[in-house]
Amino acid sequence: AQSVTQLGSHVSVSEGALVLLRCNYSSSVPPYLFWYVQYPNQGLQLLLKYTSAATLVKGINGFEAEFKKSETSFHLTKPSAHMRDAAEYFCAVSDSSAGGTSYGKLTFGQGTILTVHP
Amino acid sequence: DADVTQTPRNRITKTGKRIMLECSQTKGHDRMYWYRQDPGLGLRLIYYSFDVKDINKGEISDGYSVSRQAQAKFSLSLESAIPNQTALYFCATSSGQGTETQYFGPGTRLLVL
Repeated sequence: AQSVTQLGSHVSVSEGALVLLRCNYSSSVPPYLFWYVQYPNQGLQLLLKYTSAATLVKGINGFEAEFKKSETSFHLTKPSAHMRDAAEYFCAVSDSSAGGTSYGKLTFGQGTILTVHP
Repeated sequence: DADVTQTPRNRITKTGKRIMLECSQTKGHDRMYWYRQDPGLGLRLIYYSFDVKDINKGEISDGYSVSRQAQAKFSLSLESAIPNQTALYFCATSSGQGTETQYFGPGTRLLVL
């Protein structure tokens, strides 16, 4: 069974500061990993995904994440926060894997609400 | 126009009532999913469908049923709504190929009194 743990349900940063949102996963197969963002009153939007290619993944809006197998982590970072980054962020793991059976099911973490102060 | 639409966007109902949430997509995807979101719990999978003839239970299917009327339509029903089904419900689709990115609708906010 797969699982995802997001450390910190709320993260607060100042505008221009580094954003670091933590995600650790558990998976019995090499995972596909995703970060989604949810802006207020909207659905989820894909930020980036890891699919067993490059371990450093660049996404939209200046975000990136690094897959570290030894630490079973997939932390999300952005060098400089902007007010528009205020949202809830979800890390997710897929039951798909390279060369394996794919059911396309996602298991989500609990979510991290990012607040950006002026 | 949005690729994945959900109706209604907001709904208030009473305990014991039957309610249906609808999802339509124009992405041409075979796979569709229903999730519920609760604060602090993330999203949890209710049902998923790989095509019109293939429907599967997710981790929290009790109290829910679904219908896949066509490739583009996937409905979620609460046969007898109860207050702990108050939540934000999302529909999602995926192509079922490659890296399984899911595309989400805007959500339906349901309040059961």
